[in-house]
Amino acid sequence: QVQLVESGGGLVKAGGSLRLSCAASGFTFSNYYMSWMRQAPGKGLEWVSYISASGTTEFYADSVKGRFTISRDNAKNSLYLQMNSLRGEDTAVYYCARDQADMSDPWGQGTLVTVSS
Amino acid sequence: SFELTQPPSVSVSPGQTASITCSGDKLVDKHACWYQQKPGQSPVVVIYKDDKRPSGIPERFSGSRSGNTATLTISGTQAMDEADYYCQAWDSARVFGGGTKLTVL
Repeated sequence: QVQLVESGGGLVKAGGSLRLSCAASGFTFSNYYMSWMRQAPGKGLEWVSYISASGTTEFYADSVKGRFTISRDNAKNSLYLQMNSLRGEDTAVYYCARDQADMSDPWGQGTLVTVSS
Repeated sequence: SFELTQPPSVSVSPGQTASITCSGDKLVDKHACWYQQKPGQSPVVVIYKDDKRPSGIPERFSGSRSGNTATLTISGTQAMDEADYYCQAWDSARVFGGGTKLTVL
């Protein structure tokens, strides 16, 4: 079955960096756009970034532009999010998701990133 | 980019119909999808492309769009439908509404 598993979250100090990974299985990863979303504690969903199937096109939310970089390795069926210059407002559960037909489905279980000041 | 507006909360009695709206200036040119998120769980798509229901989603979930407003309708609402619901539309960015907490009283 289609499965997405995020990893790499944790506690980091403001200004620090973290790299999230998302391992995909159960589908042809290289055929799909992929996205990262996040959800701050007790708050709503926020889209962060997406990347095209080939990895040649990326797009970012204004809130992370210039600080976060999305990438993928189709040979390893993996999606990544490099997060630099982290701020307190980046504290959230980060989800990866497969994009298709104007929707994101499925989503992974999420990984928690906590940025301390 | 653009914004999507949802009511913060909707209440419904069991067996009744719940309607959750999502409005945005540019929604008329885009498709909307809807996610259900229960506490401690990841979001799940319940409606995509305005009115399409993924396999495995109960028939009581339906979607529609008129002009700049998309609507998620849950007919015969059950206690298990109590959750947060988010609309989303796709542009060069993907935009979420603020979410609606559905309470089944």
